[in-house]
Order: sequence, then structure tokens, then C-alpha cells
Amino acid sequence: QVQLQESGPGLVKPSETLSLTCTVSGGSISNYYWSWIRQPPGKQLEWIGYIYSTGTTNYNPSLESRLTISVDTSKNQFSLRLSSVTAADTAIYYCARAVYAGASGWRGFDFWGQGTLVTVSS
Amino acid sequence: DIQLTQSPSFLSASVGDRVTITCRASQGISYLAWYQQKPGKAPKLLIYAASTLQSGVPSRFSGSGSGTEFTLTISSLQPEDFATYHCQQLNSYPFTFGPGTKVDVK
Repeated sequence: QVQLQESGPGLVKPSETLSLTCTVSGGSISNYYWSWIRQPPGKQLEWIGYIYSTGTTNYNPSLESRLTISVDTSKNQFSLRLSSVTAADTAIYYCARAVYAGASGWRGFDFWGQGTLVTVSS
Repeated sequence: DIQLTQSPSFLSASVGDRVTITCRASQGISYLAWYQQKPGKAPKLLIYAASTLQSGVPSRFSGSGSGTEFTLTISSLQPEDFATYHCQQLNSYPFTFGPGTKVDVK
């Protein structure tokens, strides 16, 4: 059974960079798409972006100018860096596996981490 | 971006009830997923491609629809089904989610 676990600081100061890592266990990170999703308290889910195991990325345009997602296949990890954060970036951040079935399209996110709350505050 | 709306936003129901939630897209899509989320937990994938049940999900859950209107139906609500349900479109980037429908106890 694939398991994902987010890690990183729970408090980030405004204008600084938010950095999170997702560690994948129970399966290989190779040959899959890996995504970040966030959910501000009491609000709806927002897709942040994904990375394929070879390093190909796709970002939400609303965050693209501040966003970097990277992968380290040797550690079975992928990471998120979001720069110049503000209070609007306060949210629960989830990592998840995205399933792409080729001609049958995207199937959704089938395995998720438990989520980590990141608060942006001085 | 493709916008998704859900109705109703809140739904009060009893165990054994048949529950239907609607998700509408701002343009026609083919790839729609449904998730269940309980308080303090990550979303759980229930249905993908609008109507295909994810492995391990009980058969009381079903999805239907095409184009811009989709439905999630729970045929007989169970105690563990009280939760918030989200739809998600994976037709085009950026992937987007609906605002959610909370199903609580009547």
C-alpha cells in the first residue's frame, strides 16, 4: 500500500519561502505523477501542480511565478517551494499521487498524505 | 479555468436515505472525479471518469453524467458516509475542484 507523508515547517513568515517535502513509501515514485494540493481553512481544495518522476512539471498559473516542484527519485521524495508567501497561503497542504491512464485520461488522485497545516504569520 | 459548482452546499439526511449531489462545470468535460473528505482527514477518491468506482469503494456509491452536469448518488446512506463530498475536473489545466457538499445528520 502506497503511503505519503508531508514534512516541513508549520510556520513561515510573510515574504519568506514555504518548503515542504513528501516522502513516498510502499511503492516507487517512478512512472507516476505526484501532486500538491492545498486547502485554506474552511475553503475549497486548490490544485497547486504536479511533477512526473522524470521531472516534467505542470503548475497552476495562479501560483506559477512563485512555485517550484522538484523530485528526488533516489530518496522517493518530491518537494514544494513557494516563495514570497502571504497570509493567503495559509492552508493545509496535501501531497498526492495522480493517476494518468493515457488515452483514458486522468483518473484523479488515489493516494494522499495526511496533510500538514502551514501558517503564514510573523 | 473550468469552474465547478455543486448543489446543494449542505444536505441533511438520515441513515438509509438516497442522496444525490450535483456538480456542474462551466464547460463540457469528460474527466470528473468525486472525493469524500471527513474532518481532519485527506480526501478519498470515490469515482473517476464520472462513473467508474475506485477500487475498494462500496457499491452504494455511483456516479453519472456527461458534458457539464454530473451526479454522485449514495443509494442508502450509512453512518460512515456523513462527510463532505468534492468534485474535481481533470479535463484541462489547471485541475479544479468544486466547493464541496457537506452531508450531515438530519
